[in-house]
Amino acid sequence: QVQLVESGGGVVQPGRSLRLSCAASGLIFGSYGLDWVRQAPGKGLEWVTIISYDVTREYHADSVKGRFTISRDNAKNSLSLQMNSLRDEDTAVYYCVRGHSGYDFLIFWGQGTLVTVSS
Amino acid sequence: DIVMTQSPLSLPVTPGEPASISCRSSQSLLYSNGYNFLDWYLQKPGQSPQLLIYLGSNRASGVPDRFSGSGSGTDFTLKISRVEAEDVGVYFCMQTLQAPFTFGPGSKVDIK
Repeated sequence: QVQLVESGGGVVQPGRSLRLSCAASGLIFGSYGLDWVRQAPGKGLEWVTIISYDVTREYHADSVKGRFTISRDNAKNSLSLQMNSLRDEDTAVYYCVRGHSGYDFLIFWGQGTLVTVSS
Repeated sequence: DIVMTQSPLSLPVTPGEPASISCRSSQSLLYSNGYNFLDWYLQKPGQSPQLLIYLGSNRASGVPDRFSGSGSGTDFTLKISRVEAEDVGVYFCMQTLQAPFTFGPGSKVDIK
């Protein structure tokens, strides 16, 4: 069964850090781009960041640039998102997504993990 | 950044009837390889989003053929030939031509 499982969400105070992880089962990460997409409560989708299969390409949304870092371990079929200097507006469900081998459309989505930034 | 807009933002539909959603981008999404870097996603209530259409007009695996995508450049359309009850949810367009990638605001489809 194809599955992406995010973990690491929770409640964190503004200015603190949190690390999200994503583990894959039934599908391979190695040859594909990986993204994080988030959705604030009751809002639309916001693309956050992408890392290419070979780690030569990383891009971030302006809203998280300099604060969030994406990383991957192809040997372990895992993806991470290090989130620093968290703000109230970072409160959202964070989805781990696997893309296509040649293009960046988003094929496999995890169930998401909720991050709440609140004092 | 490329700005994506959608219309309508709310679309009540009648089962069996057609439905259409428009998506516009602030810059052309047509790349030199002939593909439009525009994709459509559906988020059903309580679920994660799912890919419907990629590169403007290609149905994703398992997507019923009542869904179709068309358009080029800056104007795109998602059409449902005959709406079924299971099609309710929020439809998002997204551009992946240029980072940062951007989604449209979403179009909520529900049954009249």
